[in-house]
Amino acid sequence: DAGVIQSPRHEVTEMGQEVTLRCKPISGHNSLFWYRQTMMRGLELLIYFNNNVPIDDSGMPEDRFSAKMPNASFSTLKIQPSEPRDSAVYFCASSGAGVVYEQYFGPGTRLTVT
Amino acid sequence: AQTVTQSQPEMSVQEAETVTLSCTYDTSESNYYLFWYKQPPSRQMILVIRQEAYKQQNATENRFSVNFQKAAKSFSLKISDSQLGDTAMYFCAFLYSGGGADGLTFGKGTHLIIQP
Repeated sequence: DAGVIQSPRHEVTEMGQEVTLRCKPISGHNSLFWYRQTMMRGLELLIYFNNNVPIDDSGMPEDRFSAKMPNASFSTLKIQPSEPRDSAVYFCASSGAGVVYEQYFGPGTRLTVT
Repeated sequence: AQTVTQSQPEMSVQEAETVTLSCTYDTSESNYYLFWYKQPPSRQMILVIRQEAYKQQNATENRFSVNFQKAAKSFSLKISDSQLGDTAMYFCAFLYSGGGADGLTFGKGTHLIIQP
């Protein structure tokens, strides 16, 4: 079975550019989570969806960040405009379909903003 | 809001030794789960072990076991017969389970190095 799929694995962009990160959750899972990992702040929850509906976006750092889940098999995290302090590893995770409380993580996207 | 604290930024032990990683948490909730995740250099987050707060029995997964002290809000991970492949960052995480799906709250992590 395929796990959580994220793309791209690495992204390098210049300050001010728009960045879109993509995630495909495990089939049948109904909850999807976006996390960010930095040296300074560690792993922190940005936003999560339940049945494609955003439930808690209190972790989204500012209006430059937005996330969507148009259907059960796809989600995006967009940063516009990007800034150097957005450089981090962004993880997508999903849960549901049985063991509701276990979250399965994708491989992450390493974002570098220069 | 809950907090998770891992007080050991880095630990180093010899292969085959037993090592214990510490984790404390703070919450006012009574329904929750606690997890240990492993993050090797590949950066993939791997679930190591899970503990339900309502269970008194400590969880065990092969060489990995936990010491869950609910009153003390302590959740340590013991790795027995440590192996070189255990070298990784280890994160303790809290999950509120009273209202369905929720996000994980992580500690800052412990870098575990297994020396040959």
